[in-house]
Amino acid sequence: GQQVMQIPQYQHVQEGEDFTTYCNSSTTLSNIQWYKQRPGGHPVFLIQLVKSGEVKKQKRLTFQFGEAKKNSSLHITATQTTDVGTYFCAGNTPLVFGKGTRLSVIA
Amino acid sequence: DSGVTQTPKHLITATGQRVTLRCSPRSGDLSVYWYQQSLDQGLQFLIQYYNGEERAKGNILERFSAQQFPDLHSELNLSSLELGDSALYFCASSVGGAAEAFFGQGTRLTVV
Repeated sequence: GQQVMQIPQYQHVQEGEDFTTYCNSSTTLSNIQWYKQRPGGHPVFLIQLVKSGEVKKQKRLTFQFGEAKKNSSLHITATQTTDVGTYFCAGNTPLVFGKGTRLSVIA
Repeated sequence: DSGVTQTPKHLITATGQRVTLRCSPRSGDLSVYWYQQSLDQGLQFLIQYYNGEERAKGNILERFSAQQFPDLHSELNLSSLELGDSALYFCASSVGGAAEAFFGQGTRLTVV
């Protein structure tokens, strides 16, 4: 079945440093979604990418969908302590999630 | 507030028992997903319902079952519980298709 792999599993950064998490699928995705889960919270939708090569920005967050629609990335510029949490990608229907990347930001 | 309601928030039960987790989706959402999240694990997809019908099945154990009722609320039944079933169980809903999913606060199940 469909598998979505995320790397790295954990990332510790100094506040102000950049952060990137990568998502790779074993199959071509019709779309990809990104979610953020704060510690003790529930996943919250961030964005959806549909088109090959699509790039979307939300303030300091940049999301990319690969040309082959098999991979995606989330890049955060100049991390802040409010960015702490686990970032998940999810592909297709039904929504199958990767294991997530847990981001820690050291002030 | 996502608009998705899960009850109960916490549940402690003994091994071998059976429990029912309940989910009320957002108004207008036809699709309901169930996920299991264990410590340091990702979101394991269990099952999806759409407008009362099972749409997709993931890694759901035979001891687990679910259904979606005509009013679109859903229940996840977990039976013959084992210690390893202790986890956070999330319900999510969406309008359907590839739309974004809205998650409930989760039910934390502890099996002792």
